[in-house]
Amino acid sequence: GESVGLHLPTLSVQEGDNSIINCAYSNSASDYFIWYKQESGKGPQFIIDIRSNMDKRQGQRVTVLLNKTVKHLSLQIAATQPGDSAVYFCAERWIQGAQKLVFGQGTRLTINP
Amino acid sequence: DSGVTQTPKHLITATGQRVTLRCSPRSGDLSVYWYQQSLDQGLQFLIQYYNGEERAKGNILERFSAQQFPDLHSELNLSSLELGDSALYFCASSTGHHEKLFFGSGTQLSVL
Repeated sequence: GESVGLHLPTLSVQEGDNSIINCAYSNSASDYFIWYKQESGKGPQFIIDIRSNMDKRQGQRVTVLLNKTVKHLSLQIAATQPGDSAVYFCAERWIQGAQKLVFGQGTRLTINP
Repeated sequence: DSGVTQTPKHLITATGQRVTLRCSPRSGDLSVYWYQQSLDQGLQFLIQYYNGEERAKGNILERFSAQQFPDLHSELNLSSLELGDSALYFCASSTGHHEKLFFGSGTQLSVL
């Protein structure tokens, strides 16, 4: 649903491990999904996207999984590096009424050395 | 570097004042979007322009307005500012509609 983030969920992983960031989206009619990474003091940076007619898409070191049955999206980051530390946002594209991207609250990923 | 340029980076002003935020989209992108990011509301869509025309409206207050010029740059005007308007304002651009947006580095607005 709409971003409500006051208390940001946090995920801590060891450097080199795989990270999985989860996102529950709100609108079953959403046709497109996207993951962004936001580092401190910067704007959101595009990571990977997926359309609703797919259930998996891979990029460089990242994989997005889409489960429309339970309205769940996940981002997997392989071999996590210190530079992966950031807040990660999922977004869904609402197509009913005014089309727009609706962002989740975000998850803070912290990498332990 | 996303290719989207926003100015100014920081803006400090007083309640009741009016400010203008400026955005230059990536070369070739016709869509420009404005988002507001605050601690309690996250990233909120304000408005979209496509090739000079308003395309979609989100949670934009009546005190706020935007426009996109023939050279495709956009301005967001915020008037009668209140303390609660303090936030990060992002501009983004894309070739399509609400797909693969590229964000600028934002304008941090502080209303005192």
